[in-house]
Amino acid sequence: SQTIHQWPATLVQPVGSPLSLECTVEGTSNPNLYWYRQAAGRGLQLLFYSVGIGQISSEVPQNLSASRPQDRQFILSSKKLLLSDSGFYLCAWSSSARGYYEQYFGPGTRLTVT
Amino acid sequence: QKEVEQDPGPLSVPEGAIVSLNCTYSNSAFQYFMWYRQYSRKGPELLMYTYSSGNKEDGRFTAQVDKSSKYISLFIRDSQPSDSATYLCAMTDYGNNRLAFGKGNQVVVIP
Repeated sequence: SQTIHQWPATLVQPVGSPLSLECTVEGTSNPNLYWYRQAAGRGLQLLFYSVGIGQISSEVPQNLSASRPQDRQFILSSKKLLLSDSGFYLCAWSSSARGYYEQYFGPGTRLTVT
Repeated sequence: QKEVEQDPGPLSVPEGAIVSLNCTYSNSAFQYFMWYRQYSRKGPELLMYTYSSGNKEDGRFTAQVDKSSKYISLFIRDSQPSDSATYLCAMTDYGNNRLAFGKGNQVVVIP
């Protein structure tokens, strides 16, 4: 069976500090990978998605970036955090072979920028 | 007009009641419709997905899609306190990796 991991689970960072969130998927090959942010009252916002190693599509221009150095690893980064970057960050995967609409989410990282 | 509209609630029901949730949408190209359950401070969990119009049943859960009205529903029968969560609808069209989400509807089942 497939499992998705995210770490850290919680993070408190000062404004202007860098960020690195990691997501890994087990039990599948060549998954589509996604980064979402969930802010209170605003629903789920797609930030990035990737259909393969090194292939990143950005949905929202901002001070965040994403990378996919390995098939089942997806990283969300920032060089300098803003207060507005606070939120619940979720990684998700879907099968590239079928059911791309069936997205499965990880446990999330709660980021507080102070 | 927002792409997906979902009443945020909260919706409080007594244990054993039927929970009825719905979303409306504007994009007639949407063909795949999903319902997610999200417990507090956890990631969303895929409950059900439906293709095009019709009904789908899975245990106590029934999903309905009415494409002519651009309206989808989720029914939870014999609700339990463990069903207390936020329910999000999501949808997309063919070949599109991007899901359009509702903002979520909080449900509280009172023992």
